[in-house]
Amino acid sequence: QQQVKQSPQSLIVQKGGISIINCAYENTAFDYFPWYQQFPGKGPALLIAIRPDVSEKKEGRFTISFNKSAKQFSLHIMDSQPGDSATYFCAASTEGYQGGKLIFGQGTELSVKP
Amino acid sequence: GAVVSQHPSRVICKSGTSVKIECRSLDFQATTMFWYRQFPKQSLMLMATSNEGSKATYEQGVEKDKFLINHASLTLSTLTVTSAHPEDSSFYICSARVRGPYNEQFFGPGTRLTVL
Repeated sequence: QQQVKQSPQSLIVQKGGISIINCAYENTAFDYFPWYQQFPGKGPALLIAIRPDVSEKKEGRFTISFNKSAKQFSLHIMDSQPGDSATYFCAASTEGYQGGKLIFGQGTELSVKP
Repeated sequence: GAVVSQHPSRVICKSGTSVKIECRSLDFQATTMFWYRQFPKQSLMLMATSNEGSKATYEQGVEKDKFLINHASLTLSTLTVTSAHPEDSSFYICSARVRGPYNEQFFGPGTRLTVL
């Protein structure tokens, strides 16, 4: 299976709270897991990415947690701000599958309330 | 960071006309570019993979005669929507893959196509 399942579909968080978005995959060959942030009418922007040789990666307020045995990874946004309100997509890929094309999750619409 | 541009950002055309969208990697060479289509409130749908100097690989269900892709150089790929119809109205986004082991893809800002 090449699907990546993302949840929740939408998320409302208070300013200063923690936003958590989860993704699950089936293909154990996937070896690259990026997260993209997309604002309305704009292209997705690469936010943070992880490889399966580490269990966590942190960049500023954004952290990816990776659980290889469970085939799950998640994005945590600490101290969420109204400016973080956007749609977030997880994705997965491997060089061995169709030239490294990204398999995207369904997206999560995050709204951070002031 | 790697920058990808798209032109035009917005286009309105009449049914039956053809529209060309350009995708450029501005500060890196991209051996592979991807073209996506996105409907409102939905995820990105990959249309085709474009490799420099070779024919594009289309995803199942995408009409190759309808959506012509040309990857003429390591920094430029074009998507031409031929004989556009209202159902082709959508947000088209390209991405470019950076050379290296991490398959990093950087996306352009997108092109909003409206066919009247």
